This record gives sequence, C-alpha cells and structure tokens, in this order.
Amino acid sequence: QLHLQESGPGLVKPSEALSLTCTVSGDSISTSGYYWGWIRQPPGKGLEWIGSFYYNRATFYHPSLKRRATMSVDASKNQFSLKLTSVTAADTAVYYCERELVDGNPAGFWGQGILVTVSS
Amino acid sequence: QSALTQPPSASGSPGQSVTISCAGTNSDIGRYNYVSWYQQHPGKAPKLLIYEVTKRPSGVPHRFSGSKSGNTASLTVSGLQAEDEADYYCTSFAGGFYVFGSGTKVAVL
Repeated sequence: QLHLQESGPGLVKPSEALSLTCTVSGDSISTSGYYWGWIRQPPGKGLEWIGSFYYNRATFYHPSLKRRATMSVDASKNQFSLKLTSVTAADTAVYYCERELVDGNPAGFWGQGILVTVSS
Repeated sequence: QSALTQPPSASGSPGQSVTISCAGTNSDIGRYNYVSWYQQHPGKAPKLLIYEVTKRPSGVPHRFSGSKSGNTASLTVSGLQAEDEADYYCTSFAGGFYVFGSGTKVAVL
C-alpha cells in the first residue's frame, strides 16, 4: 500500500529557503514509472500545483514558481524533496507530496500534508 | 496561468443532484482531456474523484461523474449524501504544468 509522508521545518524566516522531504513506502520512486510531485494550499485557500518529476527523465514546474522551486530525489532512501528559495508570507501553506494515479493524471495519492509558516 | 473558474458554492438536499462547473480556456481544458476532480473535507488531504474527464478511480462511487464541453468541465454528484459536503477542486493539464480551479464548497441542506 502506497504511503507518502512529508517532513521538514514548520517555520521558515522570510527570504530564506523552505526545504521539505517526502518519504515514500509501498512503491519505488526510481522504478515505479509514475510522476511524483508537490502541491500546496495556503490556509483557507485553494490548491496550487508546484511541480512534478519522472525519475531520471523529466521535471516540470508551475511557471509562477519555476525560478524558485527545485525538486530532487534520493533514490537510496526512496525520498524526494522540494526546495523553495526566497520565501515570503505568501508561501505559507500546507504542502502535500503526491504521486499520479495513471499517466498524465496528477495526485492520485497524497501525503497527509505539512503546514509551513513563513514568519520572522 | 490563471486558475480555472469554479462557482464559490453549490448546494442541494439529500438525494438531489448538484453540478459544479470548471471554466478554463483553449490552452487547458479545451485542449487536453486531462481534467481531474478532487474532494476535500476539512483538515484532510484531497481525494481524487475523477480523472481524464470522466474516469473514476477504484472505490469512487458511481454517483460522481465528470464531463467536458469546449473549455468547461463539470462534475455532477447524484443522490447527494451528507458526507458529500466538502470542497471540490478541478484541475487541468495546461501544457507542461497543471492549473487548479478556485474551488467550490458544496453544502448538503
């Protein structure tokens, strides 16, 4: 059974970088043949797709976050990460990691989410 | 890059049907058949209800159905039940990225 779990600091200072990790169990990031990614949701607001990747093949980012977001993979730990630089209060959100259900269809499986607050 | 447009709210009585629209453009919904719908209860992660416009993942009841016409997609919930009270979001592939809808809060009266 696929399980995704986000981890990372719950508080980040403005202008610093936000770093989150998603630990996967029940599937292998490097061999599954699926896209993995991140979605966020500011408190009381809607969902925003951040980006997704296919291991060793392709990476895509939302145009509005492309300059600040970087995703990476540690295949040995079956984890993937998100780094978002130069954060502001607008980046305060619950961050979800996810895996597509089938090709081209994001977020068939979700982590529980982690709240990250940007504040001094 | 604008969010897809959904009505802020919708409602219906138990047993009735409610349809939620999701308006996009010819760069997203109008161009691709990768439209998905998600249900989110308060404090929970969203759940995939519909993918590729009309398909249901295993375990999603048949009373959830999706459709698309031109640049607008729709989700219909038939036979409303109390547990259907939630927020609903659409999303569409937009060529290299995905764009979400603004969300619709469904109330079961």
